[in-house]
Amino acid sequence: EAGVVQSPRYKIIEKKQPVAFWCNPISGHNTLYWYRQNLGQGPELLIRYENEEAVDDSQLPKDRFSAERLKGVDSTLKIQPAELGDSAVYLCASSRQGVAGTEAFFGQGTRLTVV
Amino acid sequence: GNSVTQMEGPVTLSEEAFLTINCTYTATGYPSLFWYVQYPGEGLQLLLKATKADDKGSNKGFEATYRKETTSFHLEKGSVQVSDSAVYFCALTNSNSGYALNFGKGTSLLVTP
Repeated sequence: EAGVVQSPRYKIIEKKQPVAFWCNPISGHNTLYWYRQNLGQGPELLIRYENEEAVDDSQLPKDRFSAERLKGVDSTLKIQPAELGDSAVYLCASSRQGVAGTEAFFGQGTRLTVV
Repeated sequence: GNSVTQMEGPVTLSEEAFLTINCTYTATGYPSLFWYVQYPGEGLQLLLKATKADDKGSNKGFEATYRKETTSFHLEKGSVQVSDSAVYFCALTNSNSGYALNFGKGTSLLVTP
């Protein structure tokens, strides 16, 4: 089966510009996650979707970040405007459903550099 | 809240050496525990997991045992290979996090010939 697909792989933008990341999860996976991974750190959850509903967005900086998951499949994460501190790798993951022991499958990530 | 603490890296070992990467956690209830690995240029992938106390997860020669009494899930391998060079992340999920993964900071492993 195809894995989680993210695009673009790399993005370089100037500060104050907008940027968007796209994620296509594994077919049949109801749960979708966006994580941010800073250099030398573990991934940190930004938002979790169950189907098309954002059930946990408590860690999403809502002043500049937004996300959507239309029709409960693909998802887009947007930053507007970007700041220097947003430079990181943005990871998308999906799983069948949120229960104990469920494995999450990760995409290769989008490496964002804000200059 | 949930938290995961891993030993600091980088860890450098010679081929065929014994590997231990320590991991301890703080969580309520009965979390599930995971080790994910990130090979150079690749995405995160599950290495092994354990869902209840005293369970042992194993894969590719790696093992980790869920120790509730010490809140630990240490990763071990008896004989590492150059191809094991990667970053290893300990993580947990529980109902508090909606079963989203809480990761440690990662431990970089370099195995030399």
